[in-house]
Amino acid sequence: DIQMTQSPSSLSASVGDRVTITCRASRDIRNELSWYQQKPGKAPKRLIYATSSLQSGVPSRFSGSGSGTEFTLTISSLQPEDFASYYCLQHKSYPLTFGPGTKVDIK
Amino acid sequence: EVQLVESGGGLVQPGGSLRLSCAASGFTFRNFWMGWVRHAPGKGLDWVANIKSDGSEKYYVESVEGRFTISRDNAKNSLYLQMNSLRVEDTAVYYCARAWSSGSGWFDYWGQGTLVTVSS
Repeated sequence: DIQMTQSPSSLSASVGDRVTITCRASRDIRNELSWYQQKPGKAPKRLIYATSSLQSGVPSRFSGSGSGTEFTLTISSLQPEDFASYYCLQHKSYPLTFGPGTKVDIK
Repeated sequence: EVQLVESGGGLVQPGGSLRLSCAASGFTFRNFWMGWVRHAPGKGLDWVANIKSDGSEKYYVESVEGRFTISRDNAKNSLYLQMNSLRVEDTAVYYCARAWSSGSGWFDYWGQGTLVTVSS
């Protein structure tokens, strides 16, 4: 199975900050990675697919990059509505595996 | 507008069974893989199962293999998850998600979730 790790597990940031979340895969997953945002009590929302493609309707302050085993999600200027948990998902092979998540809260 | 609406969750004793349903609308259901993802209290997201657009292929996470069965009825635009031999650790919100089609990527739309509680 492909194991996914995320760092940091949590972070505190201020509105306007640049935030970077890293996701690492235990082996090469090429670009088979997506990023999701989840707010408490709500369904996950896809932000990025195929490593770097922005989901329609998602603000351009969100971006994704990477390949192989290391990937990043960047929020260029954190907004109040961005305080949430973020998960990466590898879909290179079964079983599909999510990262453990990164919780972004207000400093 | 794509809509996915889950139903069937509830409280069940360990060893019991539940059947979750997901009603899909707003897209051509028969063209898409579909899946279930769960979120246990205080934990992260866990993929549970996927089914191919025509139902010919099914994949499960190891922890539910042999206990859960994913199925679909393309004539009714519906996805199902039959859950047997439920365990306390299966307690979670279960989400139905549109899993994949060429050009759409993975898990682009999600339902609102249905809560399954396994407890005596």
